[in-house]
Amino acid sequence: EVQLVESGGALVQPGRSLRLSCAASGFTFDDYAMHWVRQAPGKGLEWVSGISWSSGSIGYADSVKGRFTISRDNAKNSLYLQMNSLRAEDTALYYCAKVRLRLLSIGDAFDIWGQGTMVTVSS
Amino acid sequence: DIVMTQSPDSLAVSLGERATINCKSSQSVLYSSNSKNSLAWYQQKPGQPPKLLIYWASTRESGVPDRFSGSGSGTDFTLTISSLQAEDVAVYYCQQYYSTPYTFGQGTKLAIK
Repeated sequence: EVQLVESGGALVQPGRSLRLSCAASGFTFDDYAMHWVRQAPGKGLEWVSGISWSSGSIGYADSVKGRFTISRDNAKNSLYLQMNSLRAEDTALYYCAKVRLRLLSIGDAFDIWGQGTMVTVSS
Repeated sequence: DIVMTQSPDSLAVSLGERATINCKSSQSVLYSSNSKNSLAWYQQKPGQPPKLLIYWASTRESGVPDRFSGSGSGTDFTLTISSLQAEDVAVYYCQQYYSTPYTFGQGTKLAIK
């Protein structure tokens, strides 16, 4: 079964750091681009960051650029999001998501999503 | 950045009737190399992650009932549910994956009338 499981969410103070992880199983992880999408409580979806299968292409939303870093460890079938200088507006449920097709060099829809991990930034 | 605007924000439709949700992008999402529109539709039910319904604007994901269909090209797109079922109550989002940031629409909440 194809599965994504996020972890690492917590209650943190503004200005602090947090690292999210996403463990993948049931598919050849290193063949697929991966993304982070967040959803603030009661709000819509916001794309946060994405990384190509080779880590050669990375993108960020303007709202997190310079503060968040996406990475992957294909040997561990894992995706990460290092979040620094956290702000109250970063409070959200963070999902990792897999794209549909392998080895793509262009954008693609997200066919598998994890259940999410909650990040709360508050003093 | 490409801005995605959905209409309406909320919609109430009777069981068995047609539901139509619109999505407009601020610029074309037509990918020239394959002549396909980089537009997806997702369904999100309370307490669940989003579920992919439609990709390339009109291709139904495997396992999605055929009452769901997508249409449109360039900047204007539509998700249609031909005969609303009770289990279709959800929030629906469009998303462009033409260029980063891969923006979503604000969502359309679908309810039963």
